[in-house]
Amino acid sequence: DQQVKQNSPSLSVQEGRISILNCDYTNSMFDYFLWYKKYPAEGPTFLISISSIKDKNEDGRFTVFLNKSAKHLSLHIVPSQPGDSAVYFCAASERYGGATNKLIFGTGTLLAVQP
Amino acid sequence: NAGVTQTPKFQVLKTGQSMTLQCAQDMNHEYMSWYRQDPGMGLRLIHYSVGAGITDQGEVPNGYNVSRSTTEDFPLRLLSAAPSQTSVYFCASSSTDRMGTDTQYFGPGTRLTVL
Repeated sequence: DQQVKQNSPSLSVQEGRISILNCDYTNSMFDYFLWYKKYPAEGPTFLISISSIKDKNEDGRFTVFLNKSAKHLSLHIVPSQPGDSAVYFCAASERYGGATNKLIFGTGTLLAVQP
Repeated sequence: NAGVTQTPKFQVLKTGQSMTLQCAQDMNHEYMSWYRQDPGMGLRLIHYSVGAGITDQGEVPNGYNVSRSTTEDFPLRLLSAAPSQTSVYFCASSSTDRMGTDTQYFGPGTRLTVL
């Protein structure tokens, strides 16, 4: 049973436009959410996170939105750049109520930013 | 500061062989974990450790053993390799910084093929 779902395996956007990556979760005990970025032949790197007490967190070109009632989060990248082309993983944990740091990952979305 | 290192980078095994994937971190992190990444499956947690001498199972622990004798090292052992264990393996470590964000740092991965 996939507790964290990324239903879009791939996304293609033009340079300068907005990229929106989506993630859904089923476990209502998740209280901390993260996005990781992964280039080929490298390990994932942390991008941005949000706790369940917030509905938005911003860091430069990256913004994560959380809709707890819909169990949905999204990552917005604006403006998109060719260097953003990578696989993006959504992850969730029961940070405050369970085993800290134990992450459940989605299946990933491959973002391609076209010049 | 090397971060998280993994050896080897590539390995080919025959069914039934055993081997140990090495993972080390120099950031004095308490938490370490092992994931496997398979196409269409995202990253799945195999085993994790919250400190030296303490380990626990993740989502897919069968066929793997771990131990944590030091803070720095967290080896993953395959006792009798099977083709289903063909995957890319990532080790990660994390600690809670003073802002309360648990960022996991990933190693570069080990690509394992079992024939």
